[in-house]
Amino acid sequence: DAGVIQSPRHEVTEMGQEVTLRCKPISGHNSLFWYRQTMMRGLELLIYFNNNVPIDDSGMPEDRFSAKMPNASFSTLKIQPSEPRDSAVYFCASLSGVRKQYNEQFFGPGTRLTVL
Amino acid sequence: QQQVKQSPQSLIVQKGGISIINCAYENTAFDYFPWYQQFPGKGPALLIAIRPDVSEKKEGRFTISFNKSAKQFSLHIMDSQPGDSATYFCAASGNRDDKIIFGKGTRLHILP
Repeated sequence: DAGVIQSPRHEVTEMGQEVTLRCKPISGHNSLFWYRQTMMRGLELLIYFNNNVPIDDSGMPEDRFSAKMPNASFSTLKIQPSEPRDSAVYFCASLSGVRKQYNEQFFGPGTRLTVL
Repeated sequence: QQQVKQSPQSLIVQKGGISIINCAYENTAFDYFPWYQQFPGKGPALLIAIRPDVSEKKEGRFTISFNKSAKQFSLHIMDSQPGDSATYFCAASGNRDDKIIFGKGTRLHILP
């Protein structure tokens, strides 16, 4: 398996522009997580889905952020309009639906977003 | 109550030494405590994990020590190597929740 796939790997945009980040989870995994990582705030959970349904979006910073999971193999995180304070590395992670003693989230390589 | 507090923020250890990272939590409903390792430019990856029914879990040079009464747990890296240089996150979750609460991370640098 190729693991969790994220695109693009790097994104540079100007303030006010719309940004869309994409994620393909590991096949067969039924939970998907979006995180944001910054030096100041560490690794923050933005939202997570279970069986394509949003379960907890309490970490989404504001209405400018939205996430969708139209099917089991694809999710997007959209920022509209983007602001310089949104600059961060955004990670997607997936989790198998098979319950084991240790539930391991598998992270993608991340998207480094820079908003000028 | 959802916080996991991690220290130190950064750590420098000589090759061959012992690296120790500490974490504390408040929520007594937490029942799963993983540690994730992150190399520069990569996503975090599960390193080792423990449930509170045991006080220690060892995998190779990596050991988790767990103190349920104090609500603290720590990662010990024995015989630390330059290849261990990375950022380490402690985390916690509970009530069969898939959501994991991460600590702020510790940047570990092992001197050659």
